[in-house]
Amino acid sequence: AQTVTQSQPEMSVQEAETVTLSCTYDTSESDYYLFWYKQPPSRQMILVIRQEAYKQQNATENRFSVNFQKAAKSFSLKISDSQLGDAAMYFCAYCTGTASKLTFGTGTRLQVTL
Amino acid sequence: GAVVSQHPSWVICKSGTSVKIECRSLDFQATTMFWYRQFPKQSLMLMATSNEGSKATYEQGVEKDKFLINHASLTLSTLTVTSAHPEDSSFYICSAGRGGVSGYEQYFGPGTRLTVT
Repeated sequence: AQTVTQSQPEMSVQEAETVTLSCTYDTSESDYYLFWYKQPPSRQMILVIRQEAYKQQNATENRFSVNFQKAAKSFSLKISDSQLGDAAMYFCAYCTGTASKLTFGTGTRLQVTL
Repeated sequence: GAVVSQHPSWVICKSGTSVKIECRSLDFQATTMFWYRQFPKQSLMLMATSNEGSKATYEQGVEKDKFLINHASLTLSTLTVTSAHPEDSSFYICSAGRGGVSGYEQYFGPGTRLTVT
């Protein structure tokens, strides 16, 4: 069974600084998708960034980028120039393909301080 | 684009009654929708996969007869909690999958907070 592990229950970063959230996963599949979702206090799940396993290039969305290491089954999220609005729960998630279910990690709560 | 709505956003019901939660994809068609449950300070737990025109696929440990799922159209899935009890109180979230040239993504509804008294 596929599993997703987030080993950091909580992280803190100062405003304007950079923080990296860790995620590892376990799968025997060769083709899959990886995601980072943000859940602010409103509890609305927001897609932050997506990575297709067949793509070697790391995905980037503005201040958010990933370090995807397929052989190591690692998928970390880097947030640059952190902002107060980045404070939220961040979930790493995995799915095997289109129309398939997501498997979520346990989440990392990110605090952003002044 | 890719907006998913849920209704109601919160509901309080008495023990023994049933409550229905609607999930709609507003600007795209979704052949597959998903229902999750989230307890406070925990991750999302998948309850079932809802397929348009066919029976839902439930995860292990989820009672099919308690959590009835219907996916009547490409834009609407409903979750009915039957004979609700206080332990069914939780935050329920739906999502809809969409594939395209940019890849596959799941879009989430804002969630429904259910309180059973």
